[in-house]
Amino acid sequence: SAVISQKPSRDICQRGTSLTIQCQVDSQVTMMFWYRQQPGQSLTLIATANQGSEATYESGFVIDKFPISRPNLTFSTLTVSNMSPEDSSIYLCSVVSHSYNEQFFGPGTRLTVL
Amino acid sequence: QKEVEQDPGPLSVPEGAIVSLNCTYSNSAFQYFMWYRQYSRKGPELLMYTYSSGNKEDGRFTAQVDKSSKYISLFIRDSQPSDSATYLCAMSGTSGTYKYIFGTGTRLKVLA
Repeated sequence: SAVISQKPSRDICQRGTSLTIQCQVDSQVTMMFWYRQQPGQSLTLIATANQGSEATYESGFVIDKFPISRPNLTFSTLTVSNMSPEDSSIYLCSVVSHSYNEQFFGPGTRLTVL
Repeated sequence: QKEVEQDPGPLSVPEGAIVSLNCTYSNSAFQYFMWYRQYSRKGPELLMYTYSSGNKEDGRFTAQVDKSSKYISLFIRDSQPSDSATYLCAMSGTSGTYKYIFGTGTRLKVLA
């Protein structure tokens, strides 16, 4: 399976600020995704990070709020913009590799917005 | 009605017990069924991946899919305290569609 790291692992932020989360994979992967996991709720797909082009967002998520970059096959960033307490959540990066059909997850970034 | 329903628990069992975790779903187009294990403050870890109906066994874990009932199960034999975690079911439609629909997860505690 692919080894995925995320930075930061956690952060506490003030309302109105922005945070950029990084996702690094140890091998080239076919697809990269960003999820949100709120307490007591299922994982919700935010967007598919596309290499060299704009991300594909799911219903309810917009680029202005969650800008995503993917400059190459092993790295992506998610920015949570103009944060409010409702953005407090765990944000997870996931990948599908060339070798496997399964989807693997990073360790997550725990975000608290005050 | 949610597409995927999963009892959140918590489920507490004694060490050595057989654990049964379940999900029901409403979308008959789902073909791929996954179980993930998530320890506290960690990302989900893929446990089992099955296609269509039937059983799949891996060590102490057995995944079962009944498409006619839209019901999937994960059985854990000889449960250990290290199995204490949240178990998430996930499912998707056609091959190559990685938009998984997840259950909310069942929290399991195995008591020593």
